[in-house]
Amino acid sequence: ETGVTQTPRHLVMGMTNKKSLKCEQHLGHNAMYWYKQSAKKPLELMFVYNFKEQTENNSVPSRFSPECPNSSHLFLHLHTLQPEDSALYLCASSQELGQGAEQYFGPGTRLTVT
Amino acid sequence: AQSVTQLGSHVSVSEGALVLLRCNYSSSVPPYLFWYVQYPNQGLQLLLKYTSAATLVKGINGFEAEFKKSETSFHLTKPSAHMSDAAEYFCAVRPAGDQFYFGTGTSLTVIP
Repeated sequence: ETGVTQTPRHLVMGMTNKKSLKCEQHLGHNAMYWYKQSAKKPLELMFVYNFKEQTENNSVPSRFSPECPNSSHLFLHLHTLQPEDSALYLCASSQELGQGAEQYFGPGTRLTVT
Repeated sequence: AQSVTQLGSHVSVSEGALVLLRCNYSSSVPPYLFWYVQYPNQGLQLLLKYTSAATLVKGINGFEAEFKKSETSFHLTKPSAHMSDAAEYFCAVRPAGDQFYFGTGTSLTVIP
């Protein structure tokens, strides 16, 4: 595997379910990110981790819970979601948090909440 | 406050024609600027970035963008469109700090 991978690629869950999204980067990067991509809206940054430590939480509801056990893996735990949470969830990584550090994105998980 | 505006959510060009995708930004400090492309069912891929060196930046797949401070613009161009260029394009600004601000995207259609 190369680059940034995400599993599953598609997920349908009910509002009372608990599920987790997984992201893995094979680039040796130190920073990882979760974004939410909804139609006709800019990408929304959700969480930022640097060297496994959370550095950013953009007022994300507590029904989204991130976990970063090491610099290569990032999880997003989901519980009691709402239909408006349906979106494409993108994971990204970068070498560091510097201003010019480009981010490498995974293919995303298409989440549908029923 | 930082923001990015992409004029035109949909752009259609004929194959072989000039591609011009517009991006304007607002930033209180000199930003770094990026263009990303997203093909169907894929994540975002970096096309090019401006990091305060040359104002004309060349990227992959024949794309380039010019940073114009006076106009606060960073428009993306390609001299000749190819069918494979059909995708969603995102402009992003990153002021000092660790957060990207993305535009809403422009969907490019290439007509044979």
